[in-house]
Amino acid sequence: GDSVTQMEGPVTLSEEAFLTINCTYTATGYPSLFWYVQYPGEGLQLLLKATKADDKGSNKGFEATYRKETTSFHLEKGSVQVSDSAVYFCALGQGGATNKLIFGTGTLLAVQP
Amino acid sequence: NAGVTQTPKFQVLKTGQSMTLQCAQDMNHEYMSWYRQDPGMGLRLIHYSVGAGITDQGEVPNGYNVSRSTTEDFPLRLLSAAPSQTSVYFCASSYSRPGRSNQPQHFGDGTRLSIL
Repeated sequence: GDSVTQMEGPVTLSEEAFLTINCTYTATGYPSLFWYVQYPGEGLQLLLKATKADDKGSNKGFEATYRKETTSFHLEKGSVQVSDSAVYFCALGQGGATNKLIFGTGTLLAVQP
Repeated sequence: NAGVTQTPKFQVLKTGQSMTLQCAQDMNHEYMSWYRQDPGMGLRLIHYSVGAGITDQGEVPNGYNVSRSTTEDFPLRLLSAAPSQTSVYFCASSYSRPGRSNQPQHFGDGTRLSIL
């Protein structure tokens, strides 16, 4: 079945460091791909999305490119801030009759000043 | 804007007790869902609803019941709580099925449930 695999955390970085969180997927067809972010004590919020191959989603300095050839959707940011500390979830949107979201296990990012 | 409101935020139950987790949204969203979040397992879909009067099972439905009598409300019932149901529960809503590319889900802040 469809699935999402994320790199395990925690990822600990110093402020202004470069961030990459890896995400790969397995799916039939052509799913949409999402990154959600969960700040401490809150629910998930959509961070960015991409709907087809080679699309780049971006928001708040974060970027991710839909790579069909490598079935990947890695999240990147050039310079992280302490306020970026959160759990990041990669998700796959199933199409067709199911039309559900399949989430990865989440990656905790801790940014130190 | 209230968005998705979940109550209570925290709850401790004894094994065998029943309770209802409340979820309400004020965005007139047709699609609502319940997830549980466990360490190392991400979010798993419990039940979902595509509109008032229509519900269906997700990935981990056993031990939970839902109903959708109105567009706004989607309560989750634990009939006989078990320690394995200790988790953080999230309710989410969207205008239509979330797999569609332009329909992000809006999440509540969660209910932290402990079963002793």
